[in-house]
Amino acid sequence: SQQGEEDPQALSIQEGENATMNCSYKTSINNLQWYRQNSGRGLVHLILIRSNEREKHSGRLRVTLDTSKKSSSLLITASRAADTASYFCATSGGGADGLTFGKGTHLIIQP
Amino acid sequence: DGGITQSPKYLFRKEGQNVTLSCEQNLNHDAMYWYRQDPGQGLRLIYYSQIVNDFQKGDIAEGYSVSREKKESFPLTVTSAQKNPTAFYLCASSIVEGKTGELFFGEGSRLTVL
Repeated sequence: SQQGEEDPQALSIQEGENATMNCSYKTSINNLQWYRQNSGRGLVHLILIRSNEREKHSGRLRVTLDTSKKSSSLLITASRAADTASYFCATSGGGADGLTFGKGTHLIIQP
Repeated sequence: DGGITQSPKYLFRKEGQNVTLSCEQNLNHDAMYWYRQDPGQGLRLIYYSQIVNDFQKGDIAEGYSVSREKKESFPLTVTSAQKNPTAFYLCASSIVEGKTGELFFGEGSRLTVL
């Protein structure tokens, strides 16, 4: 099955700085999605980028997708303490059989 | 408000017991999913269902069973055959448009085997 792998596993930055997380995957995809999970909670969808798109923005989030390198990045600008969470990338192969998730990046924003 | 409700939030089980986790959605979504999350790991797909009375195994279905008798409900039973059931279980749903789009998640159920 396809597998996204996030990098780094953990990231600690100061409030106000930008945070960048990367995701690599192994096979062709229909779309790639990013999710956020606060400790002990469910996942919340952040953004979806389709395989024919290269960049997408949503508020302070910017996602890029490079299908030739099978990689994606998530940039959070002007980070806030409330952004502290785990972030997961997930890939869809084109069927309606769910998403394949990576292991996540744990982001800590220091006040 | 529309959403997905999982219960119970915390569950303790003795070895050899079966337990059932509840998942109910009022989003009118066709597809529902069960994922398992272990510490430091991503989510792994247990079972999914795209339509009532039909479901398919995911990557780690052994020791689990599901039913989909109603569109709104997709309960997961963790059987005694599951060797390491202690984990965080997440239910999700999505609209079926021929491919998996955005997943909507419940708040999870944490199962601990004593």
